[in-house]
Amino acid sequence: EPEVTQTPSHQVTQMGQEVILRCVPISNHLYFYWYRQILGQKVEFLVSFYNNEISEKSEIFDDQFSVERPDGSNFTLKIRSTKLEDSAMYFCASSNRQGNEKLFFGSGTQLSVL
Amino acid sequence: GNSVTQMEGPVTLSEEAFLTINCTYTATGYPSLFWYVQYPGEGLQLLLKATKADDKGSNKGFEATYRKETTSFHLEKGSVQVSDSAVYFCALSEEGYGGSQGNLIFGKGTKLSVKP
Repeated sequence: EPEVTQTPSHQVTQMGQEVILRCVPISNHLYFYWYRQILGQKVEFLVSFYNNEISEKSEIFDDQFSVERPDGSNFTLKIRSTKLEDSAMYFCASSNRQGNEKLFFGSGTQLSVL
Repeated sequence: GNSVTQMEGPVTLSEEAFLTINCTYTATGYPSLFWYVQYPGEGLQLLLKATKADDKGSNKGFEATYRKETTSFHLEKGSVQVSDSAVYFCALSEEGYGGSQGNLIFGKGTKLSVKP
């Protein structure tokens, strides 16, 4: 079965540094998402992306965050100036159409901000 | 706002035991309900879903019934296996049919460990 690939699996960074989390969605999918899970807390929706623009975002997704689809295969999440509270597992997901209830998730990137 | 509450883990069972993981939700409108599973080192995978009241989702021996009257979607399996060891997430989709299904609302997850 096709899968969503995320890299790196672990990322350690210093507070204030920029990080880019990378995702390769399934090739024929058109809708892309980022979620995160802070340790011990719920998986939270961050942003959805379609047709090269953000279609929806949560309150968490402030000006420090941005997403990009720089080419035909990658989907990235950038955190401009990391804070301690950004430490979390970040999940990328994709689906092939809006209204399709089956999201395919990657295995996540564990971000640790020191 | 909408939310999902599921039982705290971890849950440890012996092989062939009966499993129940409770999940209740708060929502306006008519959400769709899901169970996702995350095996060690892998991404979340859709296990089963139900889109309207009284629907029963089932897959791999797991079942859950959408109970509007009790706002619940409890996950059950009659006989667990060691390979079922994973983290299970209950989730709802705010829009229901035809809306944007991508912004799911998840519970915290329940870790299940099955011992041989």
